[in-house]
Amino acid sequence: EAQVTQNPRYLITVTGKKLTVTCSQNMNHEYMSWYRQDPGLGLRQIYYSMNVEVTDKGDVPEGYKVSRKEKRNFPLILESPSPNQTSLYFCASSLSYYTYNEQFFGPGTRLTVL
Amino acid sequence: AQTVTQSQPEMSVQEAETVTLSCTYDTSENNYYLFWYKQPPSRQMILVIRQEAYKQQNATENRFSVNFQKAAKSFSLKISDSQLGDTAMYFCAFMKHPGNQFYFGTGTSLTVIP
Repeated sequence: EAQVTQNPRYLITVTGKKLTVTCSQNMNHEYMSWYRQDPGLGLRQIYYSMNVEVTDKGDVPEGYKVSRKEKRNFPLILESPSPNQTSLYFCASSLSYYTYNEQFFGPGTRLTVL
Repeated sequence: AQTVTQSQPEMSVQEAETVTLSCTYDTSENNYYLFWYKQPPSRQMILVIRQEAYKQQNATENRFSVNFQKAAKSFSLKISDSQLGDTAMYFCAFMKHPGNQFYFGTGTSLTVIP
């Protein structure tokens, strides 16, 4: 089954404790991205990747890091989480940055930073 | 920069009736796509309907249709014969092409009343 998976689905952590949210897709997609969803703000893009080893900032990149060492994986790293990063996070992927293709969303990760 | 505005935070409709959700956007781009996504309580992002900006004909998908007014930068969603399963948050989204970056509105919470 074609899908985007995220782990963990729920995470409660404390300020300053490094964490990684994994994202994996099995569709051989080149393009992957991370969004955060906050009430009253909709979804906002954090980072995106056009292909392996090619990443760029979205609209709200502060406090986040990403890497794209393999085509299928695009982890989101919070090196020193803060309470304002409490949010619902979505990973998404599509075939290519350069052509339109449907974007597939993962199931979301609910992160709480105390 | 692109902005997407949904001016109706909450709406309700009686089962089997018709409801229209509003969306306006601002862009200087010529090539773009517009979308409506549904987010039920499961939080999964589900694509409802897509409109290519270069197409004048309004998109339809079963009970869902859009009214795309390019000059007015308006993109409303009409849901006919509303069903209880339509209860969800609905997001309007803009995507410039190429690029694949989504810009989301703040969402409209729709409740279908039995």
